[in-house]
Amino acid sequence: GAGVSQTPSNKVTEKGKYVELRCDPISGHTALYWYRQSLGQGPEFLIYFQGTGAADDSGLPNDRFFAVRPEGSVSTLKIQRTERGDSAVYLCASSLQGGGNTGELFFGEGSRLTVL
Amino acid sequence: ELKVEQNPLFLSMQEGKNYTIYCNYSTTSDRLYWYRQDPGKSLESLFVLLSNGAVKQEGRLMASLDTKARLSTLHITAAVHDLSATYFCAVASKETSGSRLTFGEGTQLTVNP
Repeated sequence: GAGVSQTPSNKVTEKGKYVELRCDPISGHTALYWYRQSLGQGPEFLIYFQGTGAADDSGLPNDRFFAVRPEGSVSTLKIQRTERGDSAVYLCASSLQGGGNTGELFFGEGSRLTVL
Repeated sequence: ELKVEQNPLFLSMQEGKNYTIYCNYSTTSDRLYWYRQDPGKSLESLFVLLSNGAVKQEGRLMASLDTKARLSTLHITAAVHDLSATYFCAVASKETSGSRLTFGEGTQLTVNP
């Protein structure tokens, strides 16, 4: 596609529920990133994929968070047993090659998650 | 751990005036990025600075990088209302092979007519 596409754009869920957020990166971009942005803050790194594998998952806050990218394109961020503190905008970004090229990231519009 | 600090965090300025936003970071890096974010929108890439002394300009915005001082500046010339947005700097850490960016808190800019 022309840009990074994220769905859903908005998700409201109840505490304790399971949530999946999807990201479709720019065609041809091998690197994919997930960030989380809380209100009034800068984006915080969660996880980085190079191809199908998670090259760096050190930003995932705990084991309730998991992400996959089985075919090296679309990625899904999965959050189990959601808590109110998980409420944030989840941003996906892609780049041509993680760590190489200019390293410039191209961001999607984000998925706004609200946990009641 | 890489820390990125921006100042000011909030900036209100009159149209036509000049101002500079500062971005300091704590560890060695030679890649710095500036992004713009409008309310409820995603991040738009403004500048990519890849070496010490790099300077880039686009319209009324000019960004520079001093890797020795671990400092980048975003200079606004003759501000106009359309520049109102939040501006983020982001730094790639050599310790993580440049794969992740660490963002500052952002500078919320309001340009008043």
